[in-house]
Formats: sequence, structure tokens, C-alpha cells
Amino acid sequence: AQSVTQPDIHITVSEGASLELRCNYSYGATPYLFWYVQSPGQGLQLLLKYFSGDTLVQGIKGFEAEFKRSQSSFNLRKPSVHWSDAAEYFCAVNDYKLSFGAGTTVTVRA
Amino acid sequence: EAGVTQFPSHSVIEKGQTVTLRCDPISGHDNLYWYRRVMGKEIKFLLHFVKESKQDESGMPNNRFLAERTGGTYSTLKVQPAELEDSGVYFCASSRQVGAETQYFGPGTRLLVL
Repeated sequence: AQSVTQPDIHITVSEGASLELRCNYSYGATPYLFWYVQSPGQGLQLLLKYFSGDTLVQGIKGFEAEFKRSQSSFNLRKPSVHWSDAAEYFCAVNDYKLSFGAGTTVTVRA
Repeated sequence: EAGVTQFPSHSVIEKGQTVTLRCDPISGHDNLYWYRRVMGKEIKFLLHFVKESKQDESGMPNNRFLAERTGGTYSTLKVQPAELEDSGVYFCASSRQVGAETQYFGPGTRLLVL
């Protein structure tokens, strides 16, 4: 069965600093991987996705993620965090239904 | 193009009452999914419709939950009778196809059972 692990429950980062959120997946075949973000009081918004091809994918809001098959990872990165990036981030793998990680809450300090 | 909409945005009910949640998918999306996140837990799959047919309802917690999708358009999720452990956020998502396809989520319905 597919599963996703997000090892970090909570991350605090200073505004302007870089951010990396970890995601490890377990899946038998080539995974379809997603990162979603949920801002306070909002629904889930797609940041980016990986289906195949280039292992470095670009998303919205300046985010990118790198698929590493050898490490079963799909980590999310942003070079310079803005205060509006404070939210909860979810990694998910799709086998027609999504399996989500537990989520990582990002706090941005001034 | 309108996104996925859900109604109501919030619902507070007492244990034993009935609540019906509604989801309107993106027009043209045959696939509709329900997910749930209870407090402190992961977002979990509940069920999947293709048009009006239930393809997979393996995630439904028990028979107090009933989902329908009449005419293959909007869907309802009824909880009857509601229990305290049903509290959480119920998300609906839709997609044009399955597999290598993005699921677009609605804003969720926050259900609190007292």
C-alpha cells in the first residue's frame, strides 16, 4: 500500500530564509506526487506535482520540489520565505486516490 | 472556470443529529472524491465517484455515512446519526480523470459535533 511520511510536524523559519520540507513515500510503481498547501481558513491548494520527466519541478509561489527515486523522496523547497508562506503543507501520492502525509506546519518569524 | 464548492463552510450539531454536506465539483469533472481530516490526524480518503457510480468507498468509517451523487453532478455526504468522533474537516475534490491527474479541492466543511 502507498504511504507518505512527512518527518517534520512543525518548522519555524525567518522571513527571507530558505525553506525545505521533507517528504518520503512508499509506492510500488512510478508515483504521482503532489504538494498541497492549506493556509489558515482556506482549502487545499496545489503547489506542484510530479508525474514523470524532469525530476525538478517548479510550482506556484516560488516553490520547487525534487523527485529522487533512489531516496523515495520528494522534498519541497523555497529559496526565500515570505510571511504569507505561513501555512500547513501536505505531501501526497496518487494511486487514483490520494494518500497524504501528516502535514508540516510552517511558522514564519519576522 | 469555477472551482470546487462546498456547503456549508461550517456546521455545529449535537450528537445524534443528522448533517448533510454538499459538494459541487468543477464542471466536466467525472471524478469526485471525499476526504476527511479529524483533529490531529492525517487527511484520509473516504470514497470516490465516477459520474454517479461509487467506485471505491473503502474509506467510509461506518454505515452512519451515506454518500450520493445524483445525476453525476453534485454530491452529498450525510452523517446520521452524528457522533463526537465525526468532528473534523470534510474535503471534496474533483478531477477529469484518475491517476496522473490533479485533484482540485474545495474549501472544506468544518463539522463540529457536540
